[in-house]
Amino acid sequence: EAGVTQSPTHLIKTRGQQATLRCSPISGHTSVYWYQQALGLGLQFLLWYDEGEERNRGNFPPRFSGRQFPNYSSELNVNALELEDSALYLCASSPWGTAHGSNYGYTFGSGTRLTVV
Amino acid sequence: AQTVTQSQPEMSVQEAETVTLSCTYDTSESDYYLFWYKQPPSRQMILVIRQEAYKQQNATENRFSVNFQKAAKSFSLKISDSQLGDAAMYFCAYRRNYGGSQGNLIFGKGTKLSVKP
Repeated sequence: EAGVTQSPTHLIKTRGQQATLRCSPISGHTSVYWYQQALGLGLQFLLWYDEGEERNRGNFPPRFSGRQFPNYSSELNVNALELEDSALYLCASSPWGTAHGSNYGYTFGSGTRLTVV
Repeated sequence: AQTVTQSQPEMSVQEAETVTLSCTYDTSESDYYLFWYKQPPSRQMILVIRQEAYKQQNATENRFSVNFQKAAKSFSLKISDSQLGDAAMYFCAYRRNYGGSQGNLIFGKGTKLSVKP
């Protein structure tokens, strides 16, 4: 079974530009979550999508946005990039319901490293 | 808003010894879930152990166990017989009960565990 895949692995952008990050969930998973992992700050919750709708949003400015497509894949867009946006962006997916399993339903990707210069 | 605090940025343990990582959280909810995740240098998030708040019995998974103190809102992780492969960042996470959906996790800032041979 393929895991959660994220692309690109690395991304370098200039301040003020826009970045688009992509995530393909585990087959059968309907929810996608985005997290920002900046140095020393742990994982901060960004967005949660389920069945194409935004279900919850973390404490981030509106220039962080995204969407979920009919095939449940998702993209995260960051507009007007700032130097502080440099971080590892992790995507996770889960199925609907309180499914039990070896990872309690959450599967994480390996992340996209975004560097803003 | 729920918060998760890990007060130990770094910890070190001798191989085969026991180490305890601390985690406290703040919530007004009575029904929730707690997790410990491991992140090795590969960046892949791996579930170590989970605890349902309604269960009084502490969860155990082989060498890993937790001390869940609901009244004190404390959720520490004990690693017994530490191995070199245990070296990683460890994140404590909280998730409220969303009913039929999994919902997003709230993470602490992490504890970097080093294992000395």
